[in-house]
Amino acid sequence: EEQLVESGGGLVQPGGSLRLSCAVSGFTASEHSTDWVRQAPGEGLEWIGRVGNKASRYRTQYAASVEGRFIISTDDSKNSVSLQMSSLKTEDTAVYYCCRSPHGSIGDSWGQGTLVTVSS
Amino acid sequence: AIRMTQSPSSFSASTGDRVTLTCRASQGVRNSLAWYQQRPGEAPKLLIYATSTLQSGVPSRFSGSGSGTDFTLTISYLQSEDFATYYCQQYYLYPFTFGPGTKVDMK
Repeated sequence: EEQLVESGGGLVQPGGSLRLSCAVSGFTASEHSTDWVRQAPGEGLEWIGRVGNKASRYRTQYAASVEGRFIISTDDSKNSVSLQMSSLKTEDTAVYYCCRSPHGSIGDSWGQGTLVTVSS
Repeated sequence: AIRMTQSPSSFSASTGDRVTLTCRASQGVRNSLAWYQQRPGEAPKLLIYATSTLQSGVPSRFSGSGSGTDFTLTISYLQSEDFATYYCQQYYLYPFTFGPGTKVDMK
């Protein structure tokens, strides 16, 4: 059974950094694209970025709201995907989800999410 | 970026109702359109991808249709577990974008 588990969320001050991890089991992370999606409290879903599969040489794409501040990468040795967040703003406060996106589809398996709170 | 809109933003329905939700893209997205269901406190769940392909394990009362800029999600016979918020997402062009959601609650 495919499973994704996010970790690393917590409270961070504005301007700070945080690294989220998405541990994958039941499949090989490098064989699929992985998307990160966030949801601010009481709000809708926002796609923030993607890392492509190994065949795409792990090509990344980002939303304008996080471009230049967030970096998504795949760790083959750990079968995981990470989201490195820097220069955090209060508006980055949200539950962050990772999801698997197979070729031809999108978001077919999701983690449970991890809460990031940016506050002083 | 492609802007996604959904209508209505919310509405009330009863079990057994046939429900049709609408999603519109600001420009054509071919058939690269997905629908998700999200219940409170849970992660989103993929229902439909490629406009009309039912995700494995999703009940057949869910169906999707449309093309270009206008899409619909239909629940043929609303069940109690279907009261939730539904989001559409285009994955034709980066950045991928979600609609604001339609909340379906109990009448």
